[in-house]
Amino acid sequence: NAGVTQTPKFQVLKTGQSMTLQCAQDMNHNSMYWYRQDPGMGLRLIYYSASEGTTDKGEVPNGYNVSRLNKREFSLRLESAAPSQTSVYFCASSEASAGGLDRNQPQHFGDGTRLSIL
Amino acid sequence: DAKTTQPTSMDCAEGRAANLPCNHSTISGNEYVYWYRQIHSQGPQYIIHGLKNNETNEMASLIITEDRKSSTLILPHATLRDTAVYYCIVRVMAGANSKLTFGKGITLSVRP
Repeated sequence: NAGVTQTPKFQVLKTGQSMTLQCAQDMNHNSMYWYRQDPGMGLRLIYYSASEGTTDKGEVPNGYNVSRLNKREFSLRLESAAPSQTSVYFCASSEASAGGLDRNQPQHFGDGTRLSIL
Repeated sequence: DAKTTQPTSMDCAEGRAANLPCNHSTISGNEYVYWYRQIHSQGPQYIIHGLKNNETNEMASLIITEDRKSSTLILPHATLRDTAVYYCIVRVMAGANSKLTFGKGITLSVRP
């Protein structure tokens, strides 16, 4: 019963390097999300995907790209990492319907990726 | 968008009930109240949600006032493992989907 799985758990990058954070869920959920969490800021939404094949910007999308590879997987890419992107990144999923009708289903989170950019 | 207000911190004794308050005085009629918690170094964990009726599940009870301007999360028998940051959230719609807006939450410390 894995739920939402994120890889890697920890990563250190140099400024300008690129990397992709992976997220997979095994609950057959339609919607998936990427958040970042910084001290004193709470969680902020980066991007979300209401269904396979669709993605939309959240509050803080600049510097990131996403891919909804299939129903299970939603990846977050940093093309040119900056120190301001040092954060803990969380992926989540929920059972909102593919038609966009939200049944107010709760979101289930992974355990995060701790990313440091030097 | 409705905002929520929570105390910064509280504590309770192990085995006693923990009552966590939340104010959401500008909540709209179709907005739900959600509670999540985050234990150190883990991802947020869904606890419970409700619209206007009181709700109970295996983790907690949610009491929403009749005017819906405030609510209380009740952990009936707190354990040391319930020490965490608890977030009270009012669901915000964003396009065809919805997002969760996390504030700073309330830090609950359960003492032995």
